[in-house]
Amino acid sequence: NAGVTQTPKFQVLKTGQSMTLQCAQDMNHNSMYWYRQDPGMGLRLIYYSASEGTTDKGEVPNGYNVSRLNKREFSLRLESAAPSQTSVYFCASNVDSSYTDTQYFGPGTRLTVL
Amino acid sequence: SQQGEEDPQALSIQEGENATMNCSYKTSINNLQWYRQNSGRGLVHLILIRSNEREKHSGRLRVTLDTSKKSSSLLITASRAADTASYFCATDAIGGGATNKLIFGTGTLLAVQP
Repeated sequence: NAGVTQTPKFQVLKTGQSMTLQCAQDMNHNSMYWYRQDPGMGLRLIYYSASEGTTDKGEVPNGYNVSRLNKREFSLRLESAAPSQTSVYFCASNVDSSYTDTQYFGPGTRLTVL
Repeated sequence: SQQGEEDPQALSIQEGENATMNCSYKTSINNLQWYRQNSGRGLVHLILIRSNEREKHSGRLRVTLDTSKKSSSLLITASRAADTASYFCATDAIGGGATNKLIFGTGTLLAVQP
């Protein structure tokens, strides 16, 4: 099992450009999450998907959209990138968000917006 | 807003010594988890302690939880250079609705000198 995979690993954008970060998990998990990690801030939840077909906002959703394409895949889209979105983005999944258990993380995408 | 805060922010010790890091949180929880993040990598789950537990062990790890003080500590015994990483606590807040979302602290950066 590959676990949680993310593409791309690195990306540089200019202000105003758009891009989609891809995430996939092969553990048959119901719930998936997108976080951003900034220095000194820990991880902050952007959006999550409790199950296929549902998505909800997290702590910092502004400037982002998500799509739960199927049970395996959960993408994060920046429609018009801003320098404030320079960050490391992590995707995670767990069995079921109706109870708290271990989340499994991908390796991250380092995004720089110039 | 951040639920947990780790203390200290950074810790440097010699190989073989014990490392202790602390986490404080703000609201009542169902459980608390600790994660490790090696430089440039995703987070890896270490241990979960439930609100009705006071202490838990896993190999060289010992976690304590004091719900009256809203705090937890992670002890790594006989540290190794490979333990060099950032350590994060994560909590779920009671009353968070149908979906239990993790809220991460700001992390402790541990450096183990060989």
